[in-house]
Amino acid sequence: DTEVTQTPKHLVMGMTNKKSLKCEQHMGHRAMYWYKQKAKKPPELMFVYSYEKLSINESVPSRFSPECPNSSLLNLHLHALQPEDSALYLCASSLQGITGNGYEQYFGPGTRLTVT
Amino acid sequence: AQSVAQPEDQVNVAEGNPLTVKCTYSVSGNPYLFWYVQYPNRGLQFLLKYITGDNLVKGSYGFEAEFNKSQTSFHLKKPSALVSDSALYFCAVRAGGSAGKSTFGDGTTLTVKP
Repeated sequence: DTEVTQTPKHLVMGMTNKKSLKCEQHMGHRAMYWYKQKAKKPPELMFVYSYEKLSINESVPSRFSPECPNSSLLNLHLHALQPEDSALYLCASSLQGITGNGYEQYFGPGTRLTVT
Repeated sequence: AQSVAQPEDQVNVAEGNPLTVKCTYSVSGNPYLFWYVQYPNRGLQFLLKYITGDNLVKGSYGFEAEFNKSQTSFHLKKPSALVSDSALYFCAVRAGGSAGKSTFGDGTTLTVKP
């Protein structure tokens, strides 16, 4: 299984809502990532988990809260988002943790988030 | 610090012609270089990578890339383009000490016309 799955595919939420994005992989990968991507732009790194520990937080606002319940699952909890947070949110995984620079990332299809 | 440049926002080629998508990089130390492709409304898909060894790397769907250390380039190539190759292509780099962070280029939109 070489797939990263993400749910939901689409999400519309108001600025006062709380919602969560989910990501799952069963490739035995030990690094998992959240990216934010605007249309036709490169993905922007948000968070990296390495061996289930938060290793990198790219100064992301606290209205985004990541969680890694186990080595296969990654969540992104959303609260009080702003319209400018509307984007495609991509999850990715790679075989090794943050020291594994030579390993490619496998991306999920993304969640298209719209904040109204 | 590490950086990637994709000098062309758009590349247009006719089906059956060879294609090249350019990428140059800047890192301290040895680079790990990657190409990803993104089709509309999809996530990024890994195509190929250079870690060490042979400068010509072969990847998925007939794509290849040539690592040139003196020119700090890693151009993506395919001998014969298909209409289905039309997509957004990203070059990415990691280097030692990057703590797992990949730096992506701004992307190049490839359009292959029949």
